[in-house]
Parts: sequence; C-alpha cells; structure tokens
Amino acid sequence: AQSVAQPEDQVNVAEGNPLTVKCTYSVSGNPYLFWYVQYPNRGLQFLLKYITGDNLVKGSYGFEAEFNKSQTSFHLKKPSALVSDSALYFCAVHSGSARQLTFGSGTQLTVLP
Amino acid sequence: DSGVTQTPKHLITATGQRVTLRCSPRSGDLSVYWYQQSLDQGLQFLIQYYNGEERAKGNILERFSAQQFPDLHSELNLSSLELGDSALYFCASSVGGGLSYEQYFGPGTRLTVT
Repeated sequence: AQSVAQPEDQVNVAEGNPLTVKCTYSVSGNPYLFWYVQYPNRGLQFLLKYITGDNLVKGSYGFEAEFNKSQTSFHLKKPSALVSDSALYFCAVHSGSARQLTFGSGTQLTVLP
Repeated sequence: DSGVTQTPKHLITATGQRVTLRCSPRSGDLSVYWYQQSLDQGLQFLIQYYNGEERAKGNILERFSAQQFPDLHSELNLSSLELGDSALYFCASSVGGGLSYEQYFGPGTRLTVT
C-alpha cells in the first residue's frame, strides 16, 4: 500500500519570505515522488519529481524539493515567495510496482503581499 | 495551456441520467488517466488507458466506464447518476504508460447532479 500525507491544509507566508509545503509518504520499496500545483478553476500542473539520484530536485517557477529517505519526506520549498504562487499544492507518490499515483489532500498556499 | 482538452466544461444533469465526458490528450501522448476531484474525497484516480488498452483501475464505480479510441481520445461514461457523483472530473495524459512520466492535466469537467 502507498499513502501520502500533507499535514497542513493551509500555509500562509509573506511575499519575499521562504516557503515550505510539507509532504510525508509511505510506500513499500523505493518511492517516486511528485509535486503538482492547481490554480483556481484549472487542472493540475506538474512542478517537479524525484525518481532517483540527487536528493534536491529543482523544478518549475523556482520551486525545489528535498527527498529525505530517513524521514520519508519530500517537502516543497522556494527561497522567496511571490503572490502569484498562491495556489493549491499536491504531493503524489507511487512505488515502482504500483498501478496508480496516490495524491495527498492538498495544501492551500497563500502568499500575502 | 497543457495541451489536454476536455469537453464539456460544465454539465448539469438529474439523478438517474447518463453523461459522457470527453478528453483529447496532448499530441504524442499515449496514456490517458481519469480522476475525480471532490471536497470530501480529494483527488481520486479512476482509470488509465494506454494506447487503447486499459492499464490500471482505481476507485471507479461499476456505474462508470471508460474507453480510449484509435485516435487516442478518451471518453468517460457515467450512468445512473447520484447526487454524490457531483465533482470535477479531470483527464490527464502522459507520453508513456509508466507512472514515472509526468502527467498533464486538462481543465476539467464540472459535473453537477441535481
């Protein structure tokens, strides 16, 4: 079985400050991890993924995520938040043998001007 | 714009009815996925097709069915609709059949069952 948890429903951060959106996972075997973003009235957009290799993954729009195997986490980060980053963020996971992606419940990020 | 198109954008229908949602994947993508997004259930995987064949099945009800046609577009059929089927239905596509490929999502079809 595989699962993913996003412990915060809502994250607020001031523009220009660093942001972190948390994600922890549980899989049998090696995890394949993804972050997607959903803007209002839009479909999800791919941000970045971790398959193997360097634990720090860089993605679109200045976002990055750090894979931490011992803590089973894959937190999304950005050094300096923009108001336009305000959106709903989803973490997703699958194990190599899984037949589907499992998405977290989503974290609403609000960047305050 | 992801390149994935979905029609219609909005659909309002009554309980007991049947509807068909349509999806055209990005050019060159062979996989199509269907998801249901609702406030109480979150984002739920329904089914995946790869190059015309069913590849994986998730939490899809027996009242729901899907297919992928030779031109790679896909349709999701929902029948005997219930109030609880009201949700956003997303289609996504990817170039390959494996889950390591990033998925590109369409804008969704909002279904309201009254």
